[in-house]
Amino acid sequence: GAVVSQHPSWVICKSGTSVKIECRSLDFQATTMFWYRQFPKQSLMLMATSNEGSKATYEQGVEKDKFLINHASLTLSTLTVTSAHPEDSSFYICSAQAGQVNSPLHFGNGTRLTVT
Amino acid sequence: AQSVTQPDIHITVSEGASLELRCNYSYGATPYLFWYVQSPGQGLQLLLKYFSGDTLVQGIKGFEAEFKRSQSSFNLRKPSVHWSDAAEYFCALRNNQGGKLIFGQGTELSVKP
Repeated sequence: GAVVSQHPSWVICKSGTSVKIECRSLDFQATTMFWYRQFPKQSLMLMATSNEGSKATYEQGVEKDKFLINHASLTLSTLTVTSAHPEDSSFYICSAQAGQVNSPLHFGNGTRLTVT
Repeated sequence: AQSVTQPDIHITVSEGASLELRCNYSYGATPYLFWYVQSPGQGLQLLLKYFSGDTLVQGIKGFEAEFKRSQSSFNLRKPSVHWSDAAEYFCALRNNQGGKLIFGQGTELSVKP
């Protein structure tokens, strides 16, 4: 089946630094990738939608200059948390979709970010 | 506005007992509905989905869900719960304008021995 690999699975960084999270589709071409954030004991909140080769579409309230999303190829999207602060500590999950709007979504295993 | 509501934040059932997790949605068109399960610190695994057709859908791990348009519901059921079913369960609705998923708040399932 389709596999989405997310790396790293966990990361600890100091306040003010930047962190990059990668999301790769291993055996299919992901035309669209979605980035979610999940706080403890809460649901997944969509941050942005990225299509290969174009700028990401951010959800209301998500700072695009803070959460940089790049979808440069059909198998890789990256989320960079710039100038991280403790309140950015969260669980970040990507999902990838191949082809048409109603194609199945495949989820990565998530990245636990802790900002100290 | 599109939304998904899971009224129960936490449910505890005994092993071997039946289970029903509630999900209600709000959407102006025919919804695409999903149930996912998440173990602690893990990503999401798809249990089942409804696009159209038969309103009773079967999923993995013995789960099923029934779509009821009149009640705007898509409840998840399992006749006999196993201890390994303890996890967080999310109901989700798919926006047919862009493919993005809208998630409910989640229901945490605990299983008593």
